[in-house]
Amino acid sequence: EDQVTQSPEALRLQEGESSSLNCSYTVSGLRGLFWYRQDPGKGPEFLFTLYSAGEEKEKERLKATLTKKESFLHITAPKPEDSATYLCAVHELFNDYKLSFGAGTTVTVRA
Amino acid sequence: DAGVTQSPTHLIKTRGQHVTLRCSPISGHKSVSWYQQVLGQGPQFIFQYYEKEERGRGNFPDRFSARQFPNYSSELNVNALLLGDSALYLCASSLDRGYTEAFFGQGTRLTVV
Repeated sequence: EDQVTQSPEALRLQEGESSSLNCSYTVSGLRGLFWYRQDPGKGPEFLFTLYSAGEEKEKERLKATLTKKESFLHITAPKPEDSATYLCAVHELFNDYKLSFGAGTTVTVRA
Repeated sequence: DAGVTQSPTHLIKTRGQHVTLRCSPISGHKSVSWYQQVLGQGPQFIFQYYEKEERGRGNFPDRFSARQFPNYSSELNVNALLLGDSALYLCASSLDRGYTEAFFGQGTRLTVV
């Protein structure tokens, strides 16, 4: 069964046009939720870890939030260099040896 | 400080051959995890090693094996390669077994022909 579902699959934005990415998850217990950025052919680049509902973290134009069922990655006034695939992953209380990833959202920002 | 380093970066192998992929974790990190990423999908967990012991294994056949050395570096071995093994293989290094400060390497692109 799918534990992590990301939407939309793809997002095309105009430079400066803010938007949000969604990551919904179903786990029996959450140790942490991770957000990564991945450029084509490269390894995922760590962005944030969120641990409890209500937690928020920010980095430049990115802000991640967490509820008990989903996480959002808000991109404020994006620039072309924000174009990438954004991956979310959950770290469960049980089976804690692995991260379970969603398929990602590919963001394209046009100048 | 050096990040997670993987070698080689690219590799082309023939069906039925064997391959060994290598990973050096960040200095001070004791855990190494391996993931397979097929184009258009998220990474899928293969193995986690912590303090040289296997902590978990994903849903991969026995053709896949791994080990961690005393210096915490790791090798992923795949025997009897299939076309479907073509993927980006990622190594994640973390401070402990709980994915604290977990960072990925740049990956090894394996193509099986």
